[in-house]
Amino acid sequence: ETGVTQSPTHLIKTRGQQVTLRCSSQSGHNTVSWYQQALGQGPQFIFQYYREEENGRGNFPPRFSGLQFPNYSSELNVNALELDDSALYLCASSLRRQQNTEAFFGQGTRLTVV
Amino acid sequence: GDSVTQMEGPVTLSEEAFLTINCTYTATGYPSLFWYVQYPGEGLQLLLKATKADDKGSNKGFEATYRKETTSFHLEKGSVQVSDSAVYFCAYGRGKLIFGQGTELSVKP
Repeated sequence: ETGVTQSPTHLIKTRGQQVTLRCSSQSGHNTVSWYQQALGQGPQFIFQYYREEENGRGNFPPRFSGLQFPNYSSELNVNALELDDSALYLCASSLRRQQNTEAFFGQGTRLTVV
Repeated sequence: GDSVTQMEGPVTLSEEAFLTINCTYTATGYPSLFWYVQYPGEGLQLLLKATKADDKGSNKGFEATYRKETTSFHLEKGSVQVSDSAVYFCAYGRGKLIFGQGTELSVKP
């Protein structure tokens, strides 16, 4: 059973650029969630995807968007990067059909915007 | 709105000391509760969970009991080790998680 994997692990971008982060969910999991973790803070929910549709969104602007593919992998896209977007971006997968199921996290992508 | 509040860190303990990290939440309904641990430079690992009132989650010597009457889910361990040094996050939810701000634990030999 493979765990959640994210790529790349580190990334440096310039303000105003666009970035795409990728996530492969744990084998058998059909739901992917993305979180933003600023330095010294707890993760903040960005959005969740289930069966290729967005299934809930946190308090993030529309320049944060995502996709889920038929194999349940996912992408997080951020347009018009701002300095405050610098953070650790975490992907988590889970089994939606199970109530109260836990989420399993990848190691994260560290994004630095300069 | 819904939220999770953890005791402030950092917490510094000597090896074999008793650990308590307080966590309280405000939420509608009866969410599942979780403790996650984050080691330096890594993602989050699920430490333990509880899905209903009075459930006790346990793993690797850590325990936490879901207290509905006090809306709390405090993390405890009887004897900490240096290897337990990490940041601990309390969270609740069903799929979508609401996290506390994290409590950094440092265990000295």
